[in-house]
Amino acid sequence: EVQLLESGGGLVQPGGSLRLSCTASEFTFSSYAMSWVRQAPGKGLEWVSGTSGSGGSTYYADSVKGRFTISRDNSKNTLYLQMNSLRAEDTAVYYCAKARRIVGPTTALDYWGQGTLVTVSS
Amino acid sequence: DIQMTQSPSSLSASVGDRVTITCRASQGISNYLAWYQQKPGKVPKLLICAASTLQSGVPSRFSGSGSGTDFTLTISSLQPEDVATYYCQKYNSALLTFGGGTKVEIK
Repeated sequence: EVQLLESGGGLVQPGGSLRLSCTASEFTFSSYAMSWVRQAPGKGLEWVSGTSGSGGSTYYADSVKGRFTISRDNSKNTLYLQMNSLRAEDTAVYYCAKARRIVGPTTALDYWGQGTLVTVSS
Repeated sequence: DIQMTQSPSSLSASVGDRVTITCRASQGISNYLAWYQQKPGKVPKLLICAASTLQSGVPSRFSGSGSGTDFTLTISSLQPEDVATYYCQKYNSALLTFGGGTKVEIK
């Protein structure tokens, strides 16, 4: 069974940085695009960023462009999200999610991790 | 950027009722549309992709339809375990935008 395990969340002050990790198992990690999706407390889902299987192509929502960087280490089956210049509105549970098909990022997300909570507050 | 608008934002229906949720794209997205179910306190679950293709294990009372800009998710006979928030998501490009969600409750 596919497993995705996020880590790295926590409390950070406004303007600070945090790096999230997502460790994947039970599938050929390098073959699939991956995404980060967040959910603010009591709010809906917001797609944040995605990357191709190789990591050579990356994509961002306007709300995080220029502040967040997605990357992956296929040798470690791990996806990352480097978050800089954090704001209160970035407070959310961050999920990593796997692309359903081996066709790049233009596909639905079929497996999700349990999420890691990021709280931006002074 | 293409916006995804869901309606209603919430609904309350009786067990056995037919429930319909609408998702509208601001531009045509062909059938690159997925539906997710998120039960309270749980992780989102993929229900339908390609607008109408039910994922393995999803009960047949769920169905999806539409193409272009207008899509629907239908629950043919609402069950207590269907209490959840439902989200549509477009994937015609690498920007995977979600709709705002529809919260379904039992009356």
